[in-house]
Amino acid sequence: DTEVTQTPKHLVMGMTNKKSLKCEQHMGHRAMYWYKQKAKKPPELMFVYSYEKLSINESVPSRFSPECPNSSLLNLHLHALQPEDSALYLCASSQVWGDYGYTFGSGTRLTVV
Amino acid sequence: DAKTTQPNSMESNEEEPVHLPCNHSTISGTDYIHWYRQLPSQGPEYVIHGLTSNVNNRMASLAIAEDRKSSTLILHRATLRDAAVYYCILRVSSALSGNTPLVFGKGTRLSVIA
Repeated sequence: DTEVTQTPKHLVMGMTNKKSLKCEQHMGHRAMYWYKQKAKKPPELMFVYSYEKLSINESVPSRFSPECPNSSLLNLHLHALQPEDSALYLCASSQVWGDYGYTFGSGTRLTVV
Repeated sequence: DAKTTQPNSMESNEEEPVHLPCNHSTISGTDYIHWYRQLPSQGPEYVIHGLTSNVNNRMASLAIAEDRKSSTLILHRATLRDAAVYYCILRVSSALSGNTPLVFGKGTRLSVIA
């Protein structure tokens, strides 16, 4: 299995809702990442997990809460989002050591209404 | 972080070779040169990477200048499926300090004309 699977593919949520994005990989990668991508812009790094521990938080607002319950799974919990948080949320994974490429999922298209 | 400079857009005819340039004049010794591409409505896809020597794989070739201050991604025969945004990214990989995460710049939007 050489894929990163993200669910759901599309999500519409109200500003008072709580929802979660899910990312799964079975490649044995111990580094996992969340990126946010607005239309016509490059992906922006949000969080990095290494060996299931949060190693980088790029000053992301607390309404985004990441979680890595095991080495194959990465979640992004969403609460009280704003319309400007509407974007494509991408998950990726990689080896921690050595210079290897990332594998990205196809993303979750999030719309906040 | 070392930065890269790429043209905003390029155009190619189908079945012609494409040379996508990237300048990285402040590259350091531990920076690997990575290329990713993002097709419409998809996540980024790894293309190729290298440190000092030219690299070839089934997707593309990477030509790295001798001083490492620039590199070129070569698609040998462009197809319509190669239309995408191509990102050139420097990434530190060190046995001592580990790897820095991928940080994307603006990239080059490649259009392929039939």
